Amino acid sequence: GNSVTQMEGPVTLSEEAFLTINCTYTATGYPSLFWYVQYPGEGLQLLLKATKADDKGSNKGFEATYRKETTSFHLEKGSVQVSDSAVYFCALTGGGGSNYKLTFGKGTLLTVNP
Amino acid sequence: SAVISQKPSRDICQRGTSLTIQCQVDSQVTMMFWYRQQPGQSLTLIATANQGSEATYESGFVIDKFPISRPNLTFSTLTVSNMSPEDSSIYLCSVEPGQSGKTQYFGPGTRLLVL
Repeated sequence: GNSVTQMEGPVTLSEEAFLTINCTYTATGYPSLFWYVQYPGEGLQLLLKATKADDKGSNKGFEATYRKETTSFHLEKGSVQVSDSAVYFCALTGGGGSNYKLTFGKGTLLTVNP
Repeated sequence: SAVISQKPSRDICQRGTSLTIQCQVDSQVTMMFWYRQQPGQSLTLIATANQGSEATYESGFVIDKFPISRPNLTFSTLTVSNMSPEDSSIYLCSVEPGQSGKTQYFGPGTRLLVL
């Protein structure tokens, strides 16, 4: 079945540092890939997505590129802010599994210090 | 996207009781889902709520424990029955608006603590 493996946390950075959170997946076919963010005490918000190979999703300074050859969808941001402190989830749907069932990674806690 | 609200936002319940969580969407959607997020964990799909038919449950979840209603295309409820402390979790509903390429949007969640 489908699975998502993402970088173990927690990750602690200083403001304006570069962020990478690694995400790799296992799926047959061509899944759609997502990053969701969960701010403290809140639900999940869609951060960005990519639906086919080589697509780049971007939002709020975050980027991730769908790499079919390495089955990866790493999240990057060039300069993090304190307000980016949250839990980040990589997820996929489709790809030989259900078209609607989201499979999530375990989440990565990011803390950004001023 | 879609605007989703949930009630209650949080609750503290006694073991053996039941709690019904409501999920309201601002537009008609075919697909609605219920997820559980146990403390410090990722999200697990409980069931898909189908309008006009019974919900479809994932492995490990049963209708007697988590009955679901879906009376129309904008509303659903999830009941957590005969609760135990192990049911303490965040329960989230999500929707797939259908025009968004398999993208699901989540409600704010209901934080449940069972004593």
